[in-house]
Amino acid sequence: EAGVAQSPRYKIIEKRQSVAFWCNPISGHATLYWYQQILGQGPKLLIQFQNNGVVDDSQLPKDRFSAERLKGVDSTLKIQPAKLEDSAVYLCASSLDGGVGLNEQFFGPGTRLTVL
Amino acid sequence: SQQGEEDPQALSIQEGENATMNCSYKTSINNLQWYRQNSGRGLVHLILIRSNEREKHSGRLRVTLDTSKKSSSLLITASRAADTASYFCATGLGNQFYFGTGTSLTVIP
Repeated sequence: EAGVAQSPRYKIIEKRQSVAFWCNPISGHATLYWYQQILGQGPKLLIQFQNNGVVDDSQLPKDRFSAERLKGVDSTLKIQPAKLEDSAVYLCASSLDGGVGLNEQFFGPGTRLTVL
Repeated sequence: SQQGEEDPQALSIQEGENATMNCSYKTSINNLQWYRQNSGRGLVHLILIRSNEREKHSGRLRVTLDTSKKSSSLLITASRAADTASYFCATGLGNQFYFGTGTSLTVIP
């Protein structure tokens, strides 16, 4: 079974530039999550989708971050404009059905973002 | 914040010894999960324990949950060098899901 795919694996940008990350979840998984993990900390949930609807985005900085999951499969996370404090690893995860925390989440390898 | 806090922050043991790490959280939960993260395999789910369970086993892993104390422990028995990683607890309640700050475990061969 293929795992969660993410791209790119690494990205270096200047502050105020824009960046987008892509995630392809495990086939058949209804729920998709984006996390931000700053060095030395645990992952922080940014947004959760169930199919193509947003279940929770309470910790997403909506002035600069946006995410979509068209057709309920792939998802993109965008930052515009980026700030220095956005430097982190962005993790995508998926689970079989809905309800964050109710089921095992499968994580992708992450995208390491460095903002200079 | 409902974020769990792991204790200790770092742990170093000899191969073959047992490793115990603890997680404390602040509010009621539906369940608590433990995850492992290392550079080779990323973040991997280890075990889930529901709020009405007190103990759960999976291979060399033993997890306990004390909801009255809002705490959980993860025991890894007969540790191996490959267990070297960061371990996170994650608490779930409704649609909210929070990871703790992690315990960095080093197993010395």
